[in-house]
Amino acid sequence: DVKVTQSSRYLVKRTGEKVFLECVQDMDHENMFWYRQDPGLGLRLIYFSYDVKMKEKGDIPEGYSVSREKKERFSLILESASTNQTSMYLCASRMTGEGVFETQYFGPGTRLLVL
Amino acid sequence: RKEVEQDPGPFNVPEGATVAFNCTYSNSASQSFFWYRQDCRKEPKLLMSVYSSGNEDGRFTAQLNRASQYISLLIRDSKLSDSATYLCANSGYALNFGKGTSLLVTP
Repeated sequence: DVKVTQSSRYLVKRTGEKVFLECVQDMDHENMFWYRQDPGLGLRLIYFSYDVKMKEKGDIPEGYSVSREKKERFSLILESASTNQTSMYLCASRMTGEGVFETQYFGPGTRLLVL
Repeated sequence: RKEVEQDPGPFNVPEGATVAFNCTYSNSASQSFFWYRQDCRKEPKLLMSVYSSGNEDGRFTAQLNRASQYISLLIRDSKLSDSATYLCANSGYALNFGKGTSLLVTP
């Protein structure tokens, strides 16, 4: 079974704080993703990585950065948290390839509240 | 225009009913399609994948219509436990998700 874990299920931070969200997968997947999910807006891709130390911007990268120092770990960083970053953050991973290999497996999510 | 579009619903159906959702996509080059199920406050989980014309798994059938660029999900004999949000997605550098369709199965 693919397992994707996220460091926290719930997080409360103050405006201006630096926030780290960590994601770890145990299936040796090359590709990892960070999404945020908001009511009425669906899942939106923030950043993704297709290899160690590689990163690509998704649809809404502003206000975020990422780090991938090891294959199994992909971190999302909010440099200076703002209230509009209150959201559910979902990490996902998948293998490289087409068809069935494109199935993405999600972590349980982190609900972040920025006050 | 969003790449993948779904009717948000909600679809309210009685137990035992058959319900179908459609999902349209704009990228005609997409090869792979997926239906995910998401329960309230949980992560999306893969329900079915579709690579050719369709796929069937028990009470669930997914169909792909490339000419009209839509995929559908049919649920037969609905159970209370089928109540959830159903997300469709197509392949890209990352999966492109629709906003989801909400299903409520009532007794």
